[in-house]
Amino acid sequence: AQSVTQLDSQVPVFEEAPVELRCNYSSSVSVYLFWYVQYPNQGLQLLLKYLSGSTLVESINGFEAEFNKSQTSFHLRKPSVHISDTAEYFCAVSRGSQGNLIFGKGTKLSVKP
Amino acid sequence: EPEVTQTPSHQVTQMGQEVILRCVPISNHLYFYWYRQILGQKVEFLVSFYNNEISEKSEIFDDQFSVERPDGSNFTLKIRSTKLEDSAMYFCASTSSRATGELFFGEGSRLTVL
Repeated sequence: AQSVTQLDSQVPVFEEAPVELRCNYSSSVSVYLFWYVQYPNQGLQLLLKYLSGSTLVESINGFEAEFNKSQTSFHLRKPSVHISDTAEYFCAVSRGSQGNLIFGKGTKLSVKP
Repeated sequence: EPEVTQTPSHQVTQMGQEVILRCVPISNHLYFYWYRQILGQKVEFLVSFYNNEISEKSEIFDDQFSVERPDGSNFTLKIRSTKLEDSAMYFCASTSSRATGELFFGEGSRLTVL
């Protein structure tokens, strides 16, 4: 069975500081990995995804995540956060063509001025 | 930009009542999903739907739950007799291709069972 672990439920940081949101997964088969973001009072939005190829994937707003197969991790990073990055971030895994996502518990990122 | 829309945004109901949550997926999408998130817990898969039938369902999706696509646009989740533990945020999602795993989510419907 697949599972996703996000160890940090809340991460407070100051504006312009770097941040890393951790995600580990367990699966006996090849998986696709995702980060979704949920801004206050909004639905889940895809931030970035790893399907195949380069293990480092980037989003349009400066986030990046690196797929590490040996450590079964897909940590999310940003070198300098903004107030507008305050949101809840969910790591998810899917079994590829099945399309059903298994989510972690989420990490609430709170960026303070 | 096309989006998944859900109604109602919030519904309060008495235990034992039937509830229908509605979703309008993105128009050219073929695969539809319901997820739920109990307060403070993970987003959990409930059911997937394709070609007018359930593709897969989780253990949560018992006989009290049903899904339907009554017309070409709506996708509904019905809970026949609500329980207190059904209180959660319910998210609808759709996609045009299961191969990418990218799902497009609605803003959610918050269900409160009293």
